[in-house]
Amino acid sequence: DIQMTQSPSSLSASVGDRVTITCRASQNINNYLNWYRQKPGKAPELLIYLASILQSGAPSRFSGSGSGTDFTLTISSLQPEDFATYYCQQSSSSVWTFGQGTKVEIE
Amino acid sequence: QVQLQESGPGQVKASQTLSLTCSVSGGSVSSGGYCWNWIRQHPGKGLEWIGNIDYSGRTDYNPSLESRLAISVDTSKNQFSLRLSSVTAADTAVYFCARVIVATRDIDYWGQGTLVTVSS
Repeated sequence: DIQMTQSPSSLSASVGDRVTITCRASQNINNYLNWYRQKPGKAPELLIYLASILQSGAPSRFSGSGSGTDFTLTISSLQPEDFATYYCQQSSSSVWTFGQGTKVEIE
Repeated sequence: QVQLQESGPGQVKASQTLSLTCSVSGGSVSSGGYCWNWIRQHPGKGLEWIGNIDYSGRTDYNPSLESRLAISVDTSKNQFSLRLSSVTAADTAVYFCARVIVATRDIDYWGQGTLVTVSS
């Protein structure tokens, strides 16, 4: 299976901060990389697909970049509703795998 | 607006079979271009992909669960289902059903999730 490693596992930030989360795949995943936000007690919601395409309805403060094995999710100006856990997920292979998650907490 | 809703017992005894159904509204499980997934989340932990099925009945399963797993689709009821046999406490989790767009391989719609507890 392709292993997905996110960093950091958690971070503290303030409203208005710029936040960056990274995700590394154990092998080339050809940009089949998605990002999700999960609020407590809720299902995840899609933010970015194919590494850099903003999902319809997702706020424009979210952006994704990267290719091959190294990817980044950036939140340009953190909002109160963004305090949540973020997951990357690869869909390159027939067995899909998620990163372990990055919890964004209020500083 | 597509909606997915999981249903099934909230508690299953160890060694028995966990069965869940996902009802789809606002879209059809018979539509090409989509596949229908199960994903679970152990309490306080991350997400684990279980497997999926497309409109033709073709399945892909997580190898770690494959020997105990069956996913099926019922186009007449617009539902798809999960059966996981020989459950243990390690199968206690919130189970989500979800829709994937085949072309872009992303999960665009999720059910709300249902907690299944395996008891001894």
